[in-house]
Amino acid sequence: QVQLQQSGAELVKPGSSVKISCKASGYTFTSYDMHWIKQQPGNGLEWIGWIYPGNGNTKYNQKFNGKATLTADKSSSTAYMQLSSLTSEDSAVYFCAMGILGYWGQGVMVTVSS
Amino acid sequence: DIQMTQSPPSLSASLGDKVTITCQASQNINKYIAWYQQKPGKAPRLLIRYTSTLESGTPSRFSGSGSGRDYSFSISNVESEDIASYYCLQYVNLPYTFGAGTKLELK
Repeated sequence: QVQLQQSGAELVKPGSSVKISCKASGYTFTSYDMHWIKQQPGNGLEWIGWIYPGNGNTKYNQKFNGKATLTADKSSSTAYMQLSSLTSEDSAVYFCAMGILGYWGQGVMVTVSS
Repeated sequence: DIQMTQSPPSLSASLGDKVTITCQASQNINKYIAWYQQKPGKAPRLLIRYTSTLESGTPSRFSGSGSGRDYSFSISNVESEDIASYYCLQYVNLPYTFGAGTKLELK
């Protein structure tokens, strides 16, 4: 069955970067979009961007241009999102989700604090 | 970007009630709307895609309808396990956009 296993919670300092992962299994990794979604505590869902692992094409929500960088490693069926120049506004749970967001990872809590 | 206006922000229902949530898109989304349920501390769960197609495992008390810019999502005979937040998503165009969410509570 389809599974998306995300990396563990991160506590990072303001101004730094963090890279979180999403390991896919149970389907052909290169054939389906992988999306990333942000959810701040108590808030709604915000679409960050999308990568097609088959060819590495990406599309970003303009709001996250320069903040998020999406990559994918076909050899390990793992998608990555790097967040840079972190501020308190980046403290959130970050989800990966595949296809029409039909399958989701468990989420990664990123806390930005000095 | 397509804006999704979801209402109401919150809803109070008794067990057995029927509730309806609406989403209006800022432009025609050609039925490319999905509905998600999210419980605290969990990832969202896809319930309905393409306006009215129930995902495997979605109970039949959930339904969706609409066309053009206007869509609705209903739960008939609300059960205690339905207490959650619900979100719409348009996926006709990138960037995908979510509605702001509706929190369903027990009266």
